Order: sequence, then C-alpha cells, then structure tokens
Amino acid sequence: DAMVIQNPRYQVTQFGKPVTLSCSQTLNHNVMYWYQQKSSQAPKLLFHYYDKDFNNEADTPDNFQSRRPNTSFCFLDIRSPGLGDAAMYLCATSRDPTKGGWEQFFGPGTRLTVL
Amino acid sequence: DQQVKQNSPSLSVQEGRISILNCDYTNSMFDYFLWYKKYPAEGPTFLISISSIKDKNEDGRFTVFLNKSAKHLSLHIVPSQPGDSAVYFCAANMNRDDKIIFGKGTRLHILP
Repeated sequence: DAMVIQNPRYQVTQFGKPVTLSCSQTLNHNVMYWYQQKSSQAPKLLFHYYDKDFNNEADTPDNFQSRRPNTSFCFLDIRSPGLGDAAMYLCATSRDPTKGGWEQFFGPGTRLTVL
Repeated sequence: DQQVKQNSPSLSVQEGRISILNCDYTNSMFDYFLWYKKYPAEGPTFLISISSIKDKNEDGRFTVFLNKSAKHLSLHIVPSQPGDSAVYFCAANMNRDDKIIFGKGTRLHILP
C-alpha cells in the first residue's frame, strides 16, 4: 500500500542533543511537509519542500532544519532540542497543489520527548 | 491569530444520533476547506472537502456545509457510530497554495 512512513515512532533525546526524525513516502508526491503538534493545539507547519524547493515558515526557529535528498525521503533535524520542543512531529505529502492536490496524506507521527 | 477556529474542544453524542462539528474562519480568501479525522497514535486522515463554489458536499454518512457569508462550515455525521470517536480537524486553503491552515480540533465522543 502507498503510504507515508515515519521513523522512529517514539524518540527520546536529551536537552541539547541533536536528533533527526525521518519520513519516507511511496506516493511519489511532489510536496513534503513537517508539522509540529502540541497537545490540544493545531498542527503547526514548520516547513515544506515543493520538489527540491525548500519553503521555511517565518516563525520556525533556526534550531529546526530539514533535508530532502530525493523524492521519497525527508528529514527533520533539531540541532539543540529544548524542553519546549517536546511534541508530536507529523510528516505529510501532497500532489501538486496547483493541479488540485490540496489533500495532504499524513504519516503516523513521531513523538519526541526531551529530558 | 487563528485563521481557522474550532471553538468546541469536545463534543459527546449518542450512538445513532447526528454529530455536528463546527468551524469558523476569518480569512475570506480561503477557497477550499477540508476535514481530517485523527485517532490516538495515528496521523490525521483526510475525510471530506468542499470548494467555495459549493455549499454542500456529501460522502456517505458525512456531509460538509459551507456558509461563505458567515465564514462558517460544519461537518455532519449521521448516524454516528462508535468508530467515529476521534479528533476532527477543520482546515482551509487559499488560491491553490501548497499550505493548509488547521484548526485546533474537536474531540468527538460517541456514547453507547
């Protein structure tokens, strides 16, 4: 089945220790997104790639970086996690939005704990 | 400043009855709206959408109504089933942008 896969599902890191979350997709979608979601809040878009073009949200901290080495994979790097970065991180994909691909397909998420 | 608002954090409905989830938006430029459903420990899954050129879209037990003048949309689920217990997110898009804006979600409990 075509899908969006996130690894790991649960990640524990220490304050200040770099961590990388990964996302892969078998949908061959153009766009890949990273969201941060905290309890009882809306998913907050951090950044997204439209093919190889990187689009950062204005309020995304510099501590958060992303890489998309190919169509299938996208990584979220948190360079120095703080306690406030503990959250669920959701990866999503969509087809070309200019051709009606507004629906986003989400992975199961990675829950990050910062000790 | 929230552009998509779901003012009810939770809602309880008896099984078999109608569930109505509400969503308000502030940006009149939004022209496409989506509802997502999320179970615990899973990512959101797309449920139903509506374009601003319509005022109703129906898919099985799910119907979305759009009132552009009031900047309001609602999701109706009838009849409600136990498997409908989940968090429902309203989301909006404008001008075929590659981003959608989410509301905070409403947790729906279907009571036996």
